[in-house]
Amino acid sequence: SAVISQKPSRDICQRGTSLTIQCQVDSQVTMMFWYRQQPGQSLTLIATANQGSEATYESGFVIDKFPISRPNLTFSTLTVSNMSPEDSSIYLCSVGGQGRTDTQYFGPGTRLTVL
Amino acid sequence: AQKITQTQPGMFVQEKEAVTLDCTYDTSDPSYGLFWYKQPSSGEMIFLIYQGSYDQQNATEGRYSLNFQKARKSANLVISASQLGDSAMYFCAMRDGTDSWGKLQFGAGTQVVVTP
Repeated sequence: SAVISQKPSRDICQRGTSLTIQCQVDSQVTMMFWYRQQPGQSLTLIATANQGSEATYESGFVIDKFPISRPNLTFSTLTVSNMSPEDSSIYLCSVGGQGRTDTQYFGPGTRLTVL
Repeated sequence: AQKITQTQPGMFVQEKEAVTLDCTYDTSDPSYGLFWYKQPSSGEMIFLIYQGSYDQQNATEGRYSLNFQKARKSANLVISASQLGDSAMYFCAMRDGTDSWGKLQFGAGTQVVVTP
């Protein structure tokens, strides 16, 4: 299984600012996924990031709010822009999903609080 | 449309007893995969067990087993001999062929509390 790390592990931010979350994987992977988990809720996919192409965003998520970079096969960043308290969530990156049977593994998550 | 349904918001179980967490799913794709994850209060998502739609036998991983009833579209997780460390949120998830990127769809989760 892939070993995934995320930075920062948690942060407290002021509204109107932006935060960039980093995701590092110990092996090369084709697809990386970014999920959001709002307090007391389940996980929702924000976008899928492939190396060398623009990220694909799910309905309700836009690039201006959640820009994603994927410079190589082991690294990705998610930026939460112009934050509001509603952005307070756990943000998780994930790898896997090459096929329907592939296990999807998750990073430890970034716990974001926006004041 | 909701594809994964977990009807138990929370459960209490005594240490050393078994607990069954319910999960039903909806898909018209004959090829799909079902996953269970554990999320402790720390927030990480820990993969527990996988069941493929074409698998003939129910999946097992240590104390975890999956009661897969394909005709009923249910994939219940059974945790045997519960331990205090099993206290966590448990999510059922599914991936099917309607999404070429292999997106996982999650249920609402079940909070399990193991008591001494």
